Amino acid sequence: EDKVVQSPLSLVVHEGDTVTLNCSYEVTNFRSLLWYKQEKKAPTFLFMLTSSGIEKKSGRLSSILDKKELSSILNITATQTGDSAIYLCALNSNSGYALNFGKGTSLLVTP
Amino acid sequence: DVKVTQSSRYLVKRTGEKVFLECVQDMDHENMFWYRQDPGLGLRLIYFSYDVKMKEKGDIPEGYSVSREKKERFSLILESASTNQTSMYLCATNRYRAGNYGYTFGSGTRLTVV
Repeated sequence: EDKVVQSPLSLVVHEGDTVTLNCSYEVTNFRSLLWYKQEKKAPTFLFMLTSSGIEKKSGRLSSILDKKELSSILNITATQTGDSAIYLCALNSNSGYALNFGKGTSLLVTP
Repeated sequence: DVKVTQSSRYLVKRTGEKVFLECVQDMDHENMFWYRQDPGLGLRLIYFSYDVKMKEKGDIPEGYSVSREKKERFSLILESASTNQTSMYLCATNRYRAGNYGYTFGSGTRLTVV
């Protein structure tokens, strides 16, 4: 059974649209939740979230954790074609060394 | 910046061959991980190591083994490659004892078994 569930699995939007990607999880105790962006090769780090309700921002991207709802969202405003990628959510649990990844959301931004 | 280097970007091997995928990091990280990534299945953990000569099975260790003889190097071994091991393989590292850290990834090795 998946512990980290991302939705939607894929998404096609037009340049300039705003998108919201979702990540839900099952465990209640964890160190952090992380978001990565993956284009053609290795995932690159976007955000690490540890506290509920505190938004992290980087340019047009932002993310927030809701520990009550056991979820996190990643927002991208004014999307560009360069935002086309797979976005991965991962949980760093208390019990293990490894990150547990969701299946990812594949985002395509069309001109 | 941490650098995680995977020896090959693309690899084509024949069924039954023994395959070695190498990962080297230059920042003295304790933990190293091997994942495979397949469409629709996401990243799945094969093996990880939290110290030299230490290894732990991940979610899908069957058909794989690993070796960590030195802290900076973590090798993934496909004992007898099969076509269902065609995949993207990603190595990752992090520093556990420092607390709350995500991964640094290598560039990946796309392996095709024919």
